[in-house]
Amino acid sequence: AQSVTQLGSHVSVSEGALVLLRCNYSSSVPPYLFWYVQYPNQGLQLLLKYTTGATLVKGINGFEAEFKKSETSFHLTKPSAHMSDAAEYFCAVSEVYSGAGSYQLTFGKGTKLSVIP
Amino acid sequence: DARVTQTPRHKVTEMGQEVTMRCQPILGHNTVFWYRQTMMQGLELLAYFRNRAPLDDSGMPKDRFSAEMPDATLATLKIQPSEPRDSAVYFCASGLKRDGYTDTQYFGPGTRLTVL
Repeated sequence: AQSVTQLGSHVSVSEGALVLLRCNYSSSVPPYLFWYVQYPNQGLQLLLKYTTGATLVKGINGFEAEFKKSETSFHLTKPSAHMSDAAEYFCAVSEVYSGAGSYQLTFGKGTKLSVIP
Repeated sequence: DARVTQTPRHKVTEMGQEVTMRCQPILGHNTVFWYRQTMMQGLELLAYFRNRAPLDDSGMPKDRFSAEMPDATLATLKIQPSEPRDSAVYFCASGLKRDGYTDTQYFGPGTRLTVL
């Protein structure tokens, strides 16, 4: 069974500071990994995803994440926080099988990011 | 810009009433998911469909919840009778899955349900 742990339900950073949101996963097969962002009263928007290939993945709005198999981690970073980054961020894992198999997502509990002016 | 649409966006109802939520997946997507988001449980998968056929609904309370896809452009989630504990935001997502290829899941804006 797959699972996701996001360390820290709330993270506060100053505007211009580094953003680091932590995500660890467990999966019985090579996983697909995702970060989604949710702004208040909105749906989830994909930030970035890792499927295969390069382990450093770049996404929208200046975010990136690195897949580290040995650490079973997929932490999200952004060099310089902006006020508009304040939102809730969800890490998700999918165990992907060929053919007609499932690719359902298992989500972490989310990390709410606050950006202090 | 193709998007998943959901109706209604907000629903307030009284306990015992029937609630129907609708989702229009992105054209061409063959997989539709229903998720529920609450403060306590976070995001939970309720059910999903592939090519309109239900593949897994193990996350759904069977006695009161039902999910269907009458056609490729419409997915419905019904609660009958509704209870206060069903209050949550319900998200629909769609994606494309075929041999050797797996697409991202694209989420709709959600239906915020309040059961009084």
